[in-house]
Amino acid sequence: GENVEQHPSTLSVQEGDSAVIKCTYSDSASNYFPWYKQELGKGPQLIIDIRSNVGEKKDQRIAVTLNKTAKHFSLHITETQPEDSAVYFCAARSYNKLIFGAGTRLAVHP
Amino acid sequence: GAVVSQHPSRVICKSGTSVKIECRSLDFQATTMFWYRQFPKQSLMLMATSNEGSKATYEQGVEKDKFLINHASLTLSTLTVTSAHPEDSSFYICSASGQTYTEAFFGQGTRLTVV
Repeated sequence: GENVEQHPSTLSVQEGDSAVIKCTYSDSASNYFPWYKQELGKGPQLIIDIRSNVGEKKDQRIAVTLNKTAKHFSLHITETQPEDSAVYFCAARSYNKLIFGAGTRLAVHP
Repeated sequence: GAVVSQHPSRVICKSGTSVKIECRSLDFQATTMFWYRQFPKQSLMLMATSNEGSKATYEQGVEKDKFLINHASLTLSTLTVTSAHPEDSSFYICSASGQTYTEAFFGQGTRLTVV
């Protein structure tokens, strides 16, 4: 089955810096890769996603890149703000199931 | 994006009792709903997938007789934890997707504490 690895597990940046989180997946049939932000005690919130026929997608300060050949995709957050602090999960959809990475705890310091 | 509402947000129950958690898609028809379990500081673990009108498909290691899932309508799925024990204490989260929204949108989660 699909396996998703996510790095780093924790990330600490200064406000205004960029943050990059990377994920790899194993199932070449996976075709959809969402990213979720989860705040303490809440459900995950979809922040951006990318499908396998696209290499890059951007939404304001957030961008995602996908390299299908290498089976990896990354989340880029620019001009980070304290409110970006949360746990971020990548996921890959395989056979209608979302398989999640282990999560990255991002801390943005003022 | 679509709105998925999960209720209750928190529940405390006594060991041996059953607890029902509801998951509703408020503005779209959810042909598929998913139930996850999340332990503190860990990732989401898929428990089961339910399609409207069909029996749920459980992941390996998840007891179907303990975690009863019903998806009787296109807007509502329920998870019932039967004969709950302290080890069932966890954060349970549902997600929903459909023909209008193929993305998966998550509910707010339910913190279950079994005492």
